[in-house]
Amino acid sequence: AQSVAQPEDQVNVAEGNPLTVKCTYSVSGNPYLFWYVQYPNRGLQFLLKYITGDNLVKGSYGFEAEFNKSQTSFHLKKPSALVSDSALYFCAVRDEAGGYNKLIFGAGTRLAVHP
Amino acid sequence: NAGVTQTPKFQVLKTGQSMTLQCAQDMNHEYMSWYRQDPGMGLRLIHYSVGAGITDQGEVPNGYNVSRSTTEDFPLRLLSAAPSQTSVYFCASSATMDSYGYTFGSGTRLTVV
Repeated sequence: AQSVAQPEDQVNVAEGNPLTVKCTYSVSGNPYLFWYVQYPNRGLQFLLKYITGDNLVKGSYGFEAEFNKSQTSFHLKKPSALVSDSALYFCAVRDEAGGYNKLIFGAGTRLAVHP
Repeated sequence: NAGVTQTPKFQVLKTGQSMTLQCAQDMNHEYMSWYRQDPGMGLRLIHYSVGAGITDQGEVPNGYNVSRSTTEDFPLRLLSAAPSQTSVYFCASSATMDSYGYTFGSGTRLTVV
């Protein structure tokens, strides 16, 4: 079965510093990978996706993610963190088991950006 | 504003009660789904629909029913609420099943006592 793992429950970073939120995946076949963000009391918002092509994917709000096939990773990055980036981040992978497509989400990583 | 609207935002139920969580979208999306979010577990798919009149089960369907009589609406019914159903419920939609930029509603926080 397809799965993703987010090894860190929380990531703390100072404003202006680069940030990385980690995600590793386990899939059979070609992976379709996604990042979503959830702000307090809100639904999830789509940030970016990797389907095929360049390993560096650019998304919303200045975020990007690097697909690394050899390390089975899809880490989310941003060169300079903002306090407003503080939120819960979810990595997800497409799963086709059972004859239908769905997204399998990781447990989430809380990002805290300190002034 | 276009998007996915969920009602109510908060609900407290007693064990054994039934209720319906409402979800409506105005983007003419074919695909709609319900997830539940529990701490440390991410989101788990309850039911989904690929169009009006077509629904199917996800990972955790027990205790929930859905129907899709129109493209816009996808209500989730709790038949007999249990404390294990205490969770935050999200409705999501996308143009098709293969469009993965899901649009999520703002959620319903349900507590079953």
